[in-house]
Amino acid sequence: QKEVEQNSGPLSVPEGAIASLNCTYSDRGSQSFFWYRQYSGKSPELIMSIYSNGDKEDGRFTAQLNKASQYVSLLIRDSQPSDSATYLCAVNGGGGADGLTFGKGTHLIIQP
Amino acid sequence: DAMVIQNPRYQVTQFGKPVTLSCSQTLNHNVMYWYQQKSSQAPKLLFHYYDKDFNNEADTPDNFQSRRPNTSFCFLDIRSPGLGDAAMYLCATSREQGTGQPQHFGDGTRLSIL
Repeated sequence: QKEVEQNSGPLSVPEGAIASLNCTYSDRGSQSFFWYRQYSGKSPELIMSIYSNGDKEDGRFTAQLNKASQYVSLLIRDSQPSDSATYLCAVNGGGGADGLTFGKGTHLIIQP
Repeated sequence: DAMVIQNPRYQVTQFGKPVTLSCSQTLNHNVMYWYQQKSSQAPKLLFHYYDKDFNNEADTPDNFQSRRPNTSFCFLDIRSPGLGDAAMYLCATSREQGTGQPQHFGDGTRLSIL
């Protein structure tokens, strides 16, 4: 059974600070890793993808992957109140599976 | 804009009354997925189509069926909805099968069971 684990939070961060979100996964064969943002009552929105070890930066977002530790993280710099949402970590791959295995998400609150 | 469209946004049905949710896409993607997301839980994959090939997840109840009459449309049929089937149903697409393909989600259909 593939599992993706996230701290459900809520994680409260002051506006302008760095928010750090973490995720671990159980299937060592996983190959692709995604971060989705989900506002309450809305569908998940893809914000970052990462496929190889190291860091990947896109604007205020940085995804970090460490396959040896089976660990993925998302950093949000200069956090804004509009970043307040649930962030879902999703993992794909391993055994040829096509669907995503999601974590339950971390609820992030940016305090003005 | 190319997108994934789900209808209706909100659906109310009675216990045991069949219901169909629809999804259409203008992205011309080969793969379409259906996920179920219950309150405060992770989205859970029910099944997916690669072109016309149907792939059911092992733990998807028999009560859930799907149809994909053409590239653009995919339907989720719930034959006899129970109270436990109340959830948000998410349709997603990806260009191709296989790992590394990001999935693009529609706005979802929130299903309520009376």
